[in-house]
Amino acid sequence: DVKVTQSSRYLVKRTGEKVFLECVQDMDHENMFWYRQDPGLGLRLIYFSYDVKMKEKGDIPEGYSVSREKKERFSLILESASTNQTSMYLCASSFVRGRIGYTFGSGTRLTVV
Amino acid sequence: DQQVKQNSPSLSVQEGRISILNCDYTNSMFDYFLWYKKYPAEGPTFLISISSIKDKNEDGRFTVFLNKSAKHLSLHIVPSQPGDSAVYFCAASAGASGTYKYIFGTGTRLKVLA
Repeated sequence: DVKVTQSSRYLVKRTGEKVFLECVQDMDHENMFWYRQDPGLGLRLIYFSYDVKMKEKGDIPEGYSVSREKKERFSLILESASTNQTSMYLCASSFVRGRIGYTFGSGTRLTVV
Repeated sequence: DQQVKQNSPSLSVQEGRISILNCDYTNSMFDYFLWYKKYPAEGPTFLISISSIKDKNEDGRFTVFLNKSAKHLSLHIVPSQPGDSAVYFCAASAGASGTYKYIFGTGTRLKVLA
């Protein structure tokens, strides 16, 4: 069963902490994405990557960075967590070619206090 | 600028009736559309897709209709079941961009009443 695995389902962090969210996929997908989901705002793209060591900003990159050292792993980093980064974070992956859409992980509910 | 819009944040339907979820888009370059379903505390799961060369695609109880001139698509669920209660997202991509990056709508929460 193919999957996208996010390392934590729930996280609680303090304001100012550096936070790492990890995502691993086993489908040999080239593309990987980080979204956040907030009520009334839908899924907003934070960053995406088309290849190892490649990254591009999405719609809301401020306050975040990413790392992709290996094809299967894509990390989202909150440099200094703030309360407005409390959200559901979703990782997804897909092939570069083909229109079958994304496979999503189960999400990480992050609360910053 | 929201390129993909779901103007109804919520919808309630009786079990056995039809659910119709709507989605509008503004970018005429979009040529492939998806619907995802999301339960609480889970990631979205793919439901059904449609290419712009078609105006309808069916998969069991789920049918997606595309009206390109109106830049509108809709998802029909017949008959609706309580297990269909979830948030539904439509998503669109422009193949000409070469990256198949999808833009998501804000979602519609469907509640199917038993």
